[in-house]
Amino acid sequence: SSEVTQDPAVSVALGQTVSITCQGDSLRYYYATWYQQKPGQAPILVIYNENHRPSGIPDRFSGSRSGNTASLTITGAQAEDEADYYCISRDSSGHPVIFGGGTKLTVL
Amino acid sequence: QEQLVESGGGVVQPGRSLRLSCAGSGFTFNNFAMHWVRQAPGAGLEWVALISYDGNNKYYAESVKGRFTISRDNSRNTLYLQMNSLRDDDTAVYFCARVRFGTSHFDYWGRGTLVAVSS
Repeated sequence: SSEVTQDPAVSVALGQTVSITCQGDSLRYYYATWYQQKPGQAPILVIYNENHRPSGIPDRFSGSRSGNTASLTITGAQAEDEADYYCISRDSSGHPVIFGGGTKLTVL
Repeated sequence: QEQLVESGGGVVQPGRSLRLSCAGSGFTFNNFAMHWVRQAPGAGLEWVALISYDGNNKYYAESVKGRFTISRDNSRNTLYLQMNSLRDDDTAVYFCARVRFGTSHFDYWGRGTLVAVSS
């Protein structure tokens, strides 16, 4: 399959922990990358190579994988984390880039 | 300061053409593969096209194959997207994004340019 799927929406109470998941066969073979996008802005990289954070990304963001599921976890969610989150993978059948449909995170 | 700045968007009639540009500055442009990604209003991100760092390899999404052409001029640090036979469903914000040689993730995106296809 050349798809990766995400839950459309997830909510979390302020200061609590939330995981956003991404599922697809390609995730068994390729790292997931995670992007955060706020309204009217370009996406920014938050996790690459499954569990690496770029400089400037708070350490409350972490990534992991189990089987065909990749997860982005925010430990102690803050109001500024409210955004859309997209996972990206690759596909050996000819699609260099596969986007998940995105998850809208609401911080309550 | 590293920057990617898209330009060339606008309102265009169905069936017409448009060329987008993405100017890179503050980094070594030819060390990066470059992509176009688009986002229709209220929708998610959709990958459009990829060009290798040297311009020799190009890949397209099925939805644009045969209509769009990606190219680059490394002497001008500029990426292009020639869009022909535009359709209503090509309406979107178009972002350019870079991938450092030897890696596989977009590490920086431009702010996007809006293309609206409407009669």
